[in-house]
Amino acid sequence: DIQMTQSPSSLSASVGDRVTITCRASQSISTFLNWYQQKPGKAPKLLMYAASSLQSGVPSRFSGSGSGTDFILTIGSLQPEDFATYYCQQSYSTPLTFGPGTKVDIK
Amino acid sequence: QVQLQESGPGLVKPSQTLSLTCTVAGGSISGDSYYWSWIRQPAGKGLEWIGRIYTSGSTNYNPSLKTRVTISLDTSKNQFSLRLSSVTAADTAVYYCARIQIAAAEIFDYWGQGTLVTVSS
Repeated sequence: DIQMTQSPSSLSASVGDRVTITCRASQSISTFLNWYQQKPGKAPKLLMYAASSLQSGVPSRFSGSGSGTDFILTIGSLQPEDFATYYCQQSYSTPLTFGPGTKVDIK
Repeated sequence: QVQLQESGPGLVKPSQTLSLTCTVAGGSISGDSYYWSWIRQPAGKGLEWIGRIYTSGSTNYNPSLKTRVTISLDTSKNQFSLRLSSVTAADTAVYYCARIQIAAAEIFDYWGQGTLVTVSS
């Protein structure tokens, strides 16, 4: 199985801050890396796919980069609706696996 | 707009079989560009992929659950189902159904709202 790790596990930030979340795969996954946002009591929502492609309807303040084993999700200017937990997920091979999540809360 | 909705018992006794159904609206489950999948999330924890099924009926399961899981399709009802046998308290979780779009990358693009299943006597 490909193990996914994320850092930090949580962070506190203010509205307007630039936020970066890192995801690492236990082996190379090329760019088969997706990002999801989950708010309490809700299903995850797809933000980014193929490491750097923005899902339709997602604000452009979200961006992604990386390939191989190391990936970054960036929120350019944090908005109130962005406080949530973020998960990375690899689609390189089954079993599909998710990172443990990064919780972004209000400072 | 595709919508998915999970249904099934919210309480299952230990050692019994958990059965859930996902009803898909706004799109055909028979399309060849998608897998149909189940994911679960214990309270306060992360996401665990359970398995997926293709329109042909072929399946892939998480090895950690493979001996206990069956995912099936009912194209006449536009539904797919999950069966998890011999459940224990460790199977208590919110269970989500989701569509996987098969494009340049496999992505979970539509999700159900999730349903809580508690395993308890």
